[in-house]
Amino acid sequence: ILNVEQSPQSLHVQEGDSTNFTCSFPSSNFYALHWYRWETAKSPEALFVMTLNGDEKKKGRISATLNTKEGYSYLYIKGSQPEDSATYLCALSGSARQLTFGSGTQLTVLP
Amino acid sequence: DAGVTQSPTHLIKTRGQQVTLRCSPKSGHDTVSWYQQALGQGPQFIFQYYEEEERQRGNFPDRFSGHQFPNYSSELNVNALLLGDSALYLCASSIDRIGTDTQYFGPGTRLTVL
Repeated sequence: ILNVEQSPQSLHVQEGDSTNFTCSFPSSNFYALHWYRWETAKSPEALFVMTLNGDEKKKGRISATLNTKEGYSYLYIKGSQPEDSATYLCALSGSARQLTFGSGTQLTVLP
Repeated sequence: DAGVTQSPTHLIKTRGQQVTLRCSPKSGHDTVSWYQQALGQGPQFIFQYYEEEERQRGNFPDRFSGHQFPNYSSELNVNALLLGDSALYLCASSIDRIGTDTQYFGPGTRLTVL
């Protein structure tokens, strides 16, 4: 059974601030870790898929790292903008192919 | 490419009724998964369809059933609706590949049970 915890539950930052949040998991028995961004009234959007310890991915101002030995992944947003406001979901996929999600971090970027 | 589409957008039902939700996968995708998202929680896996058969199932009762058609589209059926079935139902499509395949989500169907 895969367990996924995300923190913080919600976060308010000022425009221009950089921020990060955490996805933690007690077991490294999974195939991949996924990050999704979910804006209100839209579909969850896939950001990154990471599989190996030490993986780092970047997409514009957003980046993510994976540490399977210590059981966490960080998502970083540099110079937050109001359009970054969304819920960021972390999920693990294993041999069963299903995604096991955390509860998400709700980010609000204040102008 | 239209991406993953779901219908209807919103639905209101009463307890005991039955409901059918529909999903069309992204072009080229052969696998469809369904998730339930209750308020304040992450999406919970219901089941996954591949080659018109249910391949994996999460911890949901038999009231939840599904179907996949030859064109890979899928339906989620819920019988004997309970108040607790009120949630956002998400459909996701992917290409069959163990573990690292990205699932692409639709916008969801909001089901309200009164």
